[in-house]
Amino acid sequence: EAGVAQSPRYKIIEKRQSVAFWCNPISGHATLYWYQQILGQGPKLLIQFQNNGVVDDSQLPKDRFSAERLKGVDSTLKIQPAKLEDSAVYLCASNSPFQGLLRGSPLHFGNGTRLTVT
Amino acid sequence: QQQVKQSPQSLIVQKGGISIINCAYENTAFDYFPWYQQFPGKGPALLIAIRPDVSEKKEGRFTISFNKSAKQFSLHIMDSQPGDSATYFCAAPNSGGGADGLTFGKGTHLIIQP
Repeated sequence: EAGVAQSPRYKIIEKRQSVAFWCNPISGHATLYWYQQILGQGPKLLIQFQNNGVVDDSQLPKDRFSAERLKGVDSTLKIQPAKLEDSAVYLCASNSPFQGLLRGSPLHFGNGTRLTVT
Repeated sequence: QQQVKQSPQSLIVQKGGISIINCAYENTAFDYFPWYQQFPGKGPALLIAIRPDVSEKKEGRFTISFNKSAKQFSLHIMDSQPGDSATYFCAAPNSGGGADGLTFGKGTHLIIQP
């Protein structure tokens, strides 16, 4: 099966600019996650969708970050305006809510978008 | 919010040796504890996971040991190989709220010396 697709692969912007990342999950995976991975740290959950509804966005900095998944498939994560501390890899992951973690549907990650804010 | 503490931060093991990485969690909605492996430039990928009612799971050279009373679990890599050099993350389910996501540890950078 095709994996989680993310683009762009790399992005360099100046602080206060805006940026958007795109994710296409594995076909049939209704649950989609955006994680932020700062260099040398583990992935941190930003937002979780099930279909086009938000399940958990408790750690999303809502003053500058936004995400949408309008048709329940692709998703876009936006940062506006960017800060230096937003430099990180932004990972998208998906799994099947019908099976879930306990029934053997692990999180499948894309290769991420590396963002550098200068 | 779930907290996951992982140690050590980095580890160097000789080829053929045993690599051991430890993880401790605070709360969990259910017993599911995975280890993810990440190579440079790639996203994390599931290596092995343990589910309820078992204290140990083995897959090839990789073993998870789980101590529910201590809220700890560990990854053992037997006969470590240079190809195992990667960053390893433990994770635990987010507590409550019905969300089926994971909280990850900070990672262990493992180097296997030939």
